[in-house]
Amino acid sequence: GENVEQHPSTLSVQEGDSAVIKCTYSDSASNYFPWYKQELGKRPQLIIDIRSNVGEKKDQRIAVTLNKTAKHFSLHITETQPEDSAVYFCAASDQTGANNLFFGTGTRLTVIP
Amino acid sequence: DSGVTQTPKHLITATGQRVTLRCSPRSGDLSVYWYQQSLDQGLQFLIQYYNGEERAKGNILERFSAQQFPDLHSELNLSSLELGDSALYFCASSVQWYDEQFFGPGTRLTVL
Repeated sequence: GENVEQHPSTLSVQEGDSAVIKCTYSDSASNYFPWYKQELGKRPQLIIDIRSNVGEKKDQRIAVTLNKTAKHFSLHITETQPEDSAVYFCAASDQTGANNLFFGTGTRLTVIP
Repeated sequence: DSGVTQTPKHLITATGQRVTLRCSPRSGDLSVYWYQQSLDQGLQFLIQYYNGEERAKGNILERFSAQQFPDLHSELNLSSLELGDSALYFCASSVQWYDEQFFGPGTRLTVL
């Protein structure tokens, strides 16, 4: 099955700085890569996603890049704010076409005011 | 609020017992997914239903089963519970099986 690795496991940045989280996946047939933000005790919230026919996608301060050849994708958050502090999960769809998600182990982002 | 609802919010039970978790997808969503989140295993896909039919199975134990009803709500049944089944159980839904998934608030299961 799909194996998703995520780094780093923890990340601390000063408010206003950028944060980058990286993920790699194993199955070259995966074609959908969402990112979720999860605050303590809450549900994962979809913040951005990218499909394999696109190399980059941006939504205000958040961007995701995908390198299909290298099988890695990254989340970039610019001008970080304290409310960005949370755990971020990357995911990749499985190869069966059912779009089930395999998640990375998460990155705990702390934005220091 | 994603529009996906789950009940109950919390469930405390004993080993060997059986529980049922319920999920109502967003209006119009045909696909329902169940995920388990625990400290040691992370977020794991359990099972997917699409328009009433099982579409895919992940790391779901034989003691667990699920179904999706004609009104598209879904139930996850967990039986012969063990301490290690304590986790957050999330339901997610999507319009079609290939669309983005939106998660419900989860059910926290504690097995004592």
